[in-house]
Amino acid sequence: GAGVSQTPSNKVTEKGKYVELRCDPISGHTALYWYRQSLGQGPEFLIYFQGTGAADDSGLPNDRFFAVRPEGSVSTLKIQRTERGDSAVYLCASSTTGLETQYFGPGTRLLVL
Amino acid sequence: RKEVEQDPGPFNVPEGATVAFNCTYSNSASQSFFWYRQDCRKEPKLLMSVYSSGNEDGRFTAQLNRASQYISLLIRDSKLSDSATYLCVVNGKNSGYALNFGKGTSLLVTP
Repeated sequence: GAGVSQTPSNKVTEKGKYVELRCDPISGHTALYWYRQSLGQGPEFLIYFQGTGAADDSGLPNDRFFAVRPEGSVSTLKIQRTERGDSAVYLCASSTTGLETQYFGPGTRLLVL
Repeated sequence: RKEVEQDPGPFNVPEGATVAFNCTYSNSASQSFFWYRQDCRKEPKLLMSVYSSGNEDGRFTAQLNRASQYISLLIRDSKLSDSATYLCVVNGKNSGYALNFGKGTSLLVTP
C-alpha cells in the first residue's frame, strides 16, 4: 500500500516568507507526527496529532510554527516569517495508534535563503 | 545534555566484519527503544525494536540494559548494503509517543 507522502519534496524560500508543508499519512493511521532534521543531527520531535487534535506540541520551537490536521488525515505544517535557521528536512510520520511503529515519509527539504 | 547519546563514528569496516554500536539515554522513565536505519538523503526506517531480554533478527542483535540506561546494536558478517547511519531511538519523555533520536552512527562497509 501507499506509504506516507510529503509535498513538496524541496522548497526554497526567502527569509521572512511564509511556507506550508503537507503530509499525507498512511490511510487509517490516526497518529501523525512532525519532526525536523538538521544536517548531521537526528530528527527532533515537533508535534504529535491524535486524530484532529494536537496531543503534544511541546517540540515546536516558537510561535512561528503551527500545524493543523482538520479532518484527521492530511496535515499541514506552517512556518511564518521564515529564518535561515529553519533550513532543515521536515519529516512526517504516522502510526496506527500512538503506540505502534512510526512510518516516515521522504521529507521536505526546506532551504531559507 | 541530549537525551540520547551516540558515538557519531564514522565506523569503517571491511565486509564480513562484526561491528557494535552503543547508545545511552538519560530519561529513566523511557519505555520503548528502537534502532532505525537512515540511508543518505532518505527517511529513517525501523530496523528493530529493542527489548530487555535482548533480541535478534538475522545478523542483527540488539540489547538493552535498563539499569545502565544503555542500548547496543551488533551487526555480524557486515555487508556492503549495511552502509548507512544507525539511529538510536527512545520514546519521548512526555506523552510517550514522540521519539527521541540520537545523532546517529555512520557505518561504511568496504569491499
